Amino acid sequence: GNSVTQMEGPVTLSEEAFLTINCTYTATGYPSLFWYVQYPGEGLQLLLKATKADDKGSNKGFEATYRKETTSFHLEKGSVQVSDSAVYFCASRGTGGFKTIFGAGTRLFVKA
Amino acid sequence: NAGVTQTPKFRVLKTGQSMTLLCAQDMNHEYMYWYRQDPGMGLRLIHYSVGEGTTAKGEVPDGYNVSRLKKQNFLLGLESAAPSQTSVYFCASRPDGTHYNEQFFGPGTRLTVL
Repeated sequence: GNSVTQMEGPVTLSEEAFLTINCTYTATGYPSLFWYVQYPGEGLQLLLKATKADDKGSNKGFEATYRKETTSFHLEKGSVQVSDSAVYFCASRGTGGFKTIFGAGTRLFVKA
Repeated sequence: NAGVTQTPKFRVLKTGQSMTLLCAQDMNHEYMYWYRQDPGMGLRLIHYSVGEGTTAKGEVPDGYNVSRLKKQNFLLGLESAAPSQTSVYFCASRPDGTHYNEQFFGPGTRLTVL
């Protein structure tokens, strides 16, 4: 079945460091791919998405590129801030699918 | 727009008690979902609905029931609570079945079953 695997956390970085959170997926066809972010005590909110191969999603300095050849959608940010501390979820949804498949989440701590 | 709201925010139950969690959305969305979030396990789908009057089972439906009598509301019921149902519950909605549209999440309900 379809699945999403993302790197285990927690990830701890100093402010202004480079961030990568790896995400790979298995799916038939061409799913849409998403990154959601969950700040402490809140629900998830969409960070970015990509709907076809080679698309790049971007928002708030975060980027992720839909790589069909490696079935990956890694999240990157060039310079993290303390306010980026949160849990990040990678997710996929197939065409015609009712359900979104979520990864287990990666907790990010950014130190000042 | 309030978006997706959930009631209550916190609840403590004793084993065997029942309760209903309410989710409401004011975005006229067709699809609605209930998830539970447990440490290290991400989000697991309990039940979902693709329109008013419809419901379907997700990954972990046992011990839960749902109803979607009105388009804007999606209720999650626990008939006889068990400690294994201690979790944070999230409701979500999305406009329709278009595969690339995002889900909008509520703030969550933290449930403890003693």
